[in-house]
Amino acid sequence: KAGVTQTPRYLIKTRGQQVTLSCSPISGHRSVSWYQQTPGQGLQFLFEYFSETQRNKGNFPGRFSGRQFSNSRSEMNVSTLELGDSALYLCASSLPKTANTGELFFGEGSRLTVL
Amino acid sequence: KQEVTQIPAALSVPEGENLVLNCSFTDSAIYNLQWFRQDPGKGLTSLLLIQSSQREQTSGRLNASLDKSSGRSTLYIAASQPGDSATYLCAVRPHGDQGGSEKLVFGKGTKLTVNP
Repeated sequence: KAGVTQTPRYLIKTRGQQVTLSCSPISGHRSVSWYQQTPGQGLQFLFEYFSETQRNKGNFPGRFSGRQFSNSRSEMNVSTLELGDSALYLCASSLPKTANTGELFFGEGSRLTVL
Repeated sequence: KQEVTQIPAALSVPEGENLVLNCSFTDSAIYNLQWFRQDPGKGLTSLLLIQSSQREQTSGRLNASLDKSSGRSTLYIAASQPGDSATYLCAVRPHGDQGGSEKLVFGKGTKLTVNP
């Protein structure tokens, strides 16, 4: 079956712009979480969604936001981009923890470059 | 606050060697531990998942162990091959987070190079 799909794979923006990234989870998965990966900080948790509700949020400024739709697809948005937002943004999906082993499956990521 | 450390940060070995990657975590209250592989510029591929009640998991040439009380996990790779070259990441799911949380706390990874 298809894996986690993230679009776009690569994008370049300038400071002050905003960006929207999309994630389609594995069919049947209802939990979606987002992570930011940078060389200096490694992988850091952004937020997670389940049944269209944000269930947990990491320590990122309010410029980072997300949402989940009724079909479990998720989007994240970063407003007023800064140079430090350049990173690989990874999306992961899973079945609800209570329903399975809790294994997370990741997409290929969206590589954002801010100039 | 849960912290995950992976040592060494980089490792270079000749092909055919057996090797061990280490992962340590500061809080033993975890739900599970997952090992991932990441190739340059790519996403994460799940290798092995160990539940907190388990001691080890095996998949092919890979074996992961978990000692929750001491806050340690190891990933053993047998008969390494050049295709095993990648960054290996360890992640724990804290047990005490909000009910049902899928949040993972990651180490910074070990970059493995297997030389032909």
